[in-house]
Amino acid sequence: DGGITQSPKYLFRKEGQNVTLSCEQNLNHDAMYWYRQDPGQGLRLIYYSQIVNDFQKGDIAEGYSVSREKKESFPLTVTSAQKNPTAFYLCASSRTGPANTGELFFGEGSRLTVL
Amino acid sequence: DQQVKQNSPSLSVQEGRISILNCDYTNSMFDYFLWYKKYPAEGPTFLISISSIKDKNEDGRFTVFLNKSAKHLSLHIVPSQPGDSAVYFCAATLIQGAQKLVFGQGTRLTINP
Repeated sequence: DGGITQSPKYLFRKEGQNVTLSCEQNLNHDAMYWYRQDPGQGLRLIYYSQIVNDFQKGDIAEGYSVSREKKESFPLTVTSAQKNPTAFYLCASSRTGPANTGELFFGEGSRLTVL
Repeated sequence: DQQVKQNSPSLSVQEGRISILNCDYTNSMFDYFLWYKKYPAEGPTFLISISSIKDKNEDGRFTVFLNKSAKHLSLHIVPSQPGDSAVYFCAATLIQGAQKLVFGQGTRLTINP
């Protein structure tokens, strides 16, 4: 089955700790994204990558970091510099170029809670 | 600055009736719009989209209408079914295939039996 796998589904972190969320896709998509969902605010773009070894900041990149060493993988690190890290994090992927319809394919999400 | 707005946080509709979800946008450069449906603790799934060169797109029970002069789009679900109960997000992008979608805040739709 093709799809996007995020892990872990639930994660608890103490203040001051970094944590890395995993995102793997087997859809052969070039582009991958990280969104954050907070109540009443919809989905906000953290980082996105259109190709391996390249990524761009989204609207709320402060306190986050990413890497794109492989086409299938786009891990997100929530650093201690992120002031309000408790949220639901969504990874997505899409085609690029003429085949891209604008549609994003989302994973099931990771809920991070900072204690 | 919220470029895509869904002003109704929630909507309750009787089963079998029409559900109408609304979305407004401020950036006149947006020219491709999408609706996503999301169940709790799951990722959003794509529902339907519309290009700015059209004013209507239909897919089964779902129809999206676009009014460019009013910068307004709406999603109609007819007839509404209990399985339609979910949060609906509208999203906009500058060109079809562009990489950055801007999402609204979402509307929680509840279909009552």
